[in-house]
Amino acid sequence: SQQGEEDPQALSIQEGENATMNCSYKTSINNLQWYRQNSGRGLVHLILIRSNEREKHSGRLRVTLDTSKKSSSLLITASRAADTASYFCATARSGNTPLVFGKGTRLSVIA
Amino acid sequence: DVKVTQSSRYLVKRTGEKVFLECVQDMDHENMFWYRQDPGLGLRLIYFSYDVKMKEKGDIPEGYSVSREKKERFSLILESASTNQTSMYLCASSTGTSGDQYFGPGTRLTVT
Repeated sequence: SQQGEEDPQALSIQEGENATMNCSYKTSINNLQWYRQNSGRGLVHLILIRSNEREKHSGRLRVTLDTSKKSSSLLITASRAADTASYFCATARSGNTPLVFGKGTRLSVIA
Repeated sequence: DVKVTQSSRYLVKRTGEKVFLECVQDMDHENMFWYRQDPGLGLRLIYFSYDVKMKEKGDIPEGYSVSREKKERFSLILESASTNQTSMYLCASSTGTSGDQYFGPGTRLTVT
C-alpha cells in the first residue's frame, strides 16, 4: 500500500544549485518523514514534520507540508556532490501505524 | 552513536534453502521492522514487531516469518527461499511505531 509518491523520479543538478523534491500522499497523516539513501546502503533519517507543522529546517534542508494538498517538499540548498543519493518520503497515518515509504527521487549533483 | 547491524551484507542461497537474516539494535528500541527494497517498487514492509515475542504482518508477509525472542534482535526467516525473494533486505528500529527509524546497512540476498 504505497502512500507517498515522490516527484520527480530523477533529478540532475550542478553543485551549488538548489534541489527540490516533492511528495504527494493520499490519506490523512500523523507525520511525514524524509530519508536519504546512498547507493547500496541503508536509509538515513533526515527530518520529521508533524501534521500540525507547516515548515521545518535542518541545516541546508527545508521541508514544507501542506495537508490541504496532501503534499510535502524537500529543499536542499547549495547542493554538494555528497548530496547525491536517493531521497524517500515516508508517511504515518497515526502514531501507532508503521511508516509507508514512497519510491524515491534519485538526485545527482554534478561537480 | 546509534547502531543497527545486519548479519551479512551479501548472501547467496539456493532455491529451497532456509535462510535466516539477523538484525541487532543497541538503542533499546521497542519497535523493529523488516523491509525489502526492489528497483521501481521502493521499500515494502514485510513484518514489524512492537515488543518482544510480538509481531505484525506488513504489506508482503507471504513466504516470510519472523522471530523476536530478545528486545535487541529481530530475525527474518525465509522458510524455503525462492528466486523471487532475491532482493535487498533492510532492517530498522524506532522508539515509536511511527517515529523516525534507524536503518541497518542492508543485506543483498541472491537466490539462485
